[in-house]
Amino acid sequence: NAGVTQTPKFQVLKTGQSMTLQCAQDMNHEYMSWYRQDPGMGLRLIHYSVGAGITDQGEVPNGYNVSRSTTEDFPLRLLSAAPSQTSVYFCASSLGLGGSNSPLHFGNGTRLTVT
Amino acid sequence: AQTVTQSQPEMSVQEAETVTLSCTYDTSENNYYLFWYKQPPSRQMILVIRQEAYKQQNATENRFSVNFQKAAKSFSLKISDSQLGDTAMYFCAFKGGATNKLIFGTGTLLAVQP
Repeated sequence: NAGVTQTPKFQVLKTGQSMTLQCAQDMNHEYMSWYRQDPGMGLRLIHYSVGAGITDQGEVPNGYNVSRSTTEDFPLRLLSAAPSQTSVYFCASSLGLGGSNSPLHFGNGTRLTVT
Repeated sequence: AQTVTQSQPEMSVQEAETVTLSCTYDTSENNYYLFWYKQPPSRQMILVIRQEAYKQQNATENRFSVNFQKAAKSFSLKISDSQLGDTAMYFCAFKGGATNKLIFGTGTLLAVQP
């Protein structure tokens, strides 16, 4: 049972480049989400999904796209990277769709630097 | 909109002592859940403790306990017998009753001194 797996762990991009951060979970969780962590700002929600085929925007969605074609996978796409997207990104999932104390299970994070 | 506030950016405690990290939140919901997560230098996010708003009893997990004051919208974390391995960033988080979205505070960096 691997939990939530994120790849890559580190990435450096030039401004304007595109990339996809991968996230997969093997716990059959319906809910998946992406956060970014910046110093002094905690973790902020980018996008989330309550099931395959369903995605929605979080607090800071601009510049990011997501899709959820399967229950297991929830990739995050940066179409044209900007220095403001330099951050640590976390994928997280949880059981159930709300109304419970199920915690979020986190991946190990991706440190992205955009130059 | 819900907000979570952690007013202590950094704290320090001596090994074996007790320390309390503060967290306040704002919500109009009556049913919700509160969490404390720990993030050591490894960057991993680890669940420390959780509390259901409908429970009056404060949650406890070994050396970690909370003081949940629903009327004051306060959710502090007490760490007893602090250990060097407790050195980490601690995040308080709120989840409304009908959603899985977790809203985080800005974190408190705790340093345990030998």
